[in-house]
Amino acid sequence: AQKVTQAQTEISVVEKEDVTLDCVYETRDTTYYLFWYKQPPSGELVFLIRRNSFDEQNEISGRYSWNFQKSTSSFNFTITASQVVDSAVYFCALSETSGNTPLVFGKGTRLSVIA
Amino acid sequence: DVKVTQSSRYLVKRTGEKVFLECVQDMDHENMFWYRQDPGLGLRLIYFSYDVKMKEKGDIPEGYSVSREKKERFSLILESASTNQTSMYLCASTPFLSTAAYEQYFGPGTRLTVT
Repeated sequence: AQKVTQAQTEISVVEKEDVTLDCVYETRDTTYYLFWYKQPPSGELVFLIRRNSFDEQNEISGRYSWNFQKSTSSFNFTITASQVVDSAVYFCALSETSGNTPLVFGKGTRLSVIA
Repeated sequence: DVKVTQSSRYLVKRTGEKVFLECVQDMDHENMFWYRQDPGLGLRLIYFSYDVKMKEKGDIPEGYSVSREKKERFSLILESASTNQTSMYLCASTPFLSTAAYEQYFGPGTRLTVT
């Protein structure tokens, strides 16, 4: 069975600090996809990144970066120089290859960035 | 831009009422999903649909039913609302890809309160 664990329930940082959100997954599939979503206070989930299991290159997008390590089944998300607008709940999710398979979500990490 | 809309942002219903939550997407996506989100529990899948008139149970289908008469519309029905169905309900859609998993596009959510 697939499972996604986000062990950090809540994190609080001061603005401009770097912060890493952890995501550990379990799957028996050799081909799978991992996702990160952001849910700001408005409530709508915003897609951030999709990564397939064959692409272990780290990705950087502005202040956001993702570290995918198959050896430890982790897909961690780092925000550099955090800002108040980064305050949100962040979800990690996992999907099998087929487009008909629903995502399995972690329970989310609430990030608060204090000015 | 993909647009997923939900009929109401906030809804208050009484115990025992029949409740309809509507979701419409404008990108001709095959797959549609209903989740509920509760504090500390993350997103849990209620039902999903691969195509018109098709439906599959998710992790927590009890007390809910769904209807998909048209490709763009996916309705969630609470046959007899109960207080434990007070929650945030999120609808999502995604295109079908036989060899890959695509990100899901989410609506803004409906916060339902059952009194």
